[in-house]
Amino acid sequence: ILNVEQSPQSLHVQEGDSTNFTCSFPSSNFYALHWYRWETAKSPEALFVMTLNGDEKKKGRISATLNTKEGYSYLYIKGSQPEDSATYLCAFRRVEQFYFGTGTSLTVIP
Amino acid sequence: GAVVSQHPSRVICKSGTSVKIECRSLDFQATTMFWYRQFPKQSLMLMATSNEGSKATYEQGVEKDKFLINHASLTLSTLTVTSAHPEDSSFYICSARDPQGTASSDTQYFGPGTRLTVL
Repeated sequence: ILNVEQSPQSLHVQEGDSTNFTCSFPSSNFYALHWYRWETAKSPEALFVMTLNGDEKKKGRISATLNTKEGYSYLYIKGSQPEDSATYLCAFRRVEQFYFGTGTSLTVIP
Repeated sequence: GAVVSQHPSRVICKSGTSVKIECRSLDFQATTMFWYRQFPKQSLMLMATSNEGSKATYEQGVEKDKFLINHASLTLSTLTVTSAHPEDSSFYICSARDPQGTASSDTQYFGPGTRLTVL
């Protein structure tokens, strides 16, 4: 079984705060790292696909970094808003197979 | 972005009955679809990879006779839970890969999932 770990498991922040969470994955046989945003009762929404060590990607107030040598990725949210409340999933991809973490549940308090 | 629908969103059935879940790619053709299961507080676990026009590939420990997968067209895959029992109660979610993406950057697009409760 391949372990993909996300921390923290859940997080409550005040509106306007910046926050970040971690995804840890095996550093061998890396193909890609995916981040998804999953709101309750909706489909997980693809945020980023990261493939190269040192990759940094940005989408509005959300950004992500990747370190394949040490096996981690950070997701940052700047100036959190209530609409950012969701579960953020990472998935380690080894060619065809995706291995998911359990997610970080973010609640932004107005 | 690509849209995947899944039906039904919620189903409650009696033990021993079979339940069919449909997964459709609405605006693209998906040669490959994936079926996942998620138990409470656990991660999404891949059950099987569904390939259009051929047999599904099941992950270790997943009973192929229990979880029948059919991928009859480029936009539809179905998962049938046969003779369902309470231990099959779970959240089932499908995804489809858009083959228009590059090999390394393509991603999976998910349906909204199906909550199955077997009484």
